[in-house]
Amino acid sequence: AQSVTQLDSHVSVSEGTPVLLRCNYSSSYSPSLFWYVQHPNKGLQLLLKYTSAATLVKGINGFEAEFKKSETSFHLTKPSAHMSDAAEYFCVVSDREYGNKLVFGAGTILRVKS
Amino acid sequence: GAGVSQTPSNKVTEKGKYVELRCDPISGHTALYWYRQSLGQGPEFLIYFQGTGAADDSGLPNDRFFAVRPEGSVSTLKIQRTERGDSAVYLCASSLIVAGGVNEQFFGPGTRLTVL
Repeated sequence: AQSVTQLDSHVSVSEGTPVLLRCNYSSSYSPSLFWYVQHPNKGLQLLLKYTSAATLVKGINGFEAEFKKSETSFHLTKPSAHMSDAAEYFCVVSDREYGNKLVFGAGTILRVKS
Repeated sequence: GAGVSQTPSNKVTEKGKYVELRCDPISGHTALYWYRQSLGQGPEFLIYFQGTGAADDSGLPNDRFFAVRPEGSVSTLKIQRTERGDSAVYLCASSLIVAGGVNEQFFGPGTRLTVL
């Protein structure tokens, strides 16, 4: 079975400082991994995806994530936080062995202080 | 182009009533998914359609929940005899099916269901 654990329910950073949102997953040997963002009262938006190509994945708005198979991790980072990054972030796993459904983590709420 | 749309955006009903939630996928997307997001949690998979047929309905919580997609486009999620525990945001997503590839899912804004 697939599962995702987001290690922090809330993260607070100051504007201009780095962001780290942690995610561990459990799946078969060839998962696809995603990060989605959800701003208040808005739909889920895809930030980036890992699909067994390069292990360092670049997404929109300056976000990156690195797939580490040995650690079963897919942490999301950004060098410098912006106020507009404040939102809820979801780490997601999908595995063709289990069909096309997405399995979401519980989410991490990012707060950015001015 | 138009994204995934869902109607209504909000639905308030009484316990025991029947509700229907509608999803209009992106034109040309053959795959359609329903998820449910309860307060403070990540979305949970309910059902997946490939064309008109339900390819995977393993996430439907019980037989009060049913979904259809009769013409392979619009889908309706139907909930009978609603219970207070059904209160949640119901999300719809659609995607192309790419053989051997990753099927990126595009989400609608959701329908917030409140059962009183």
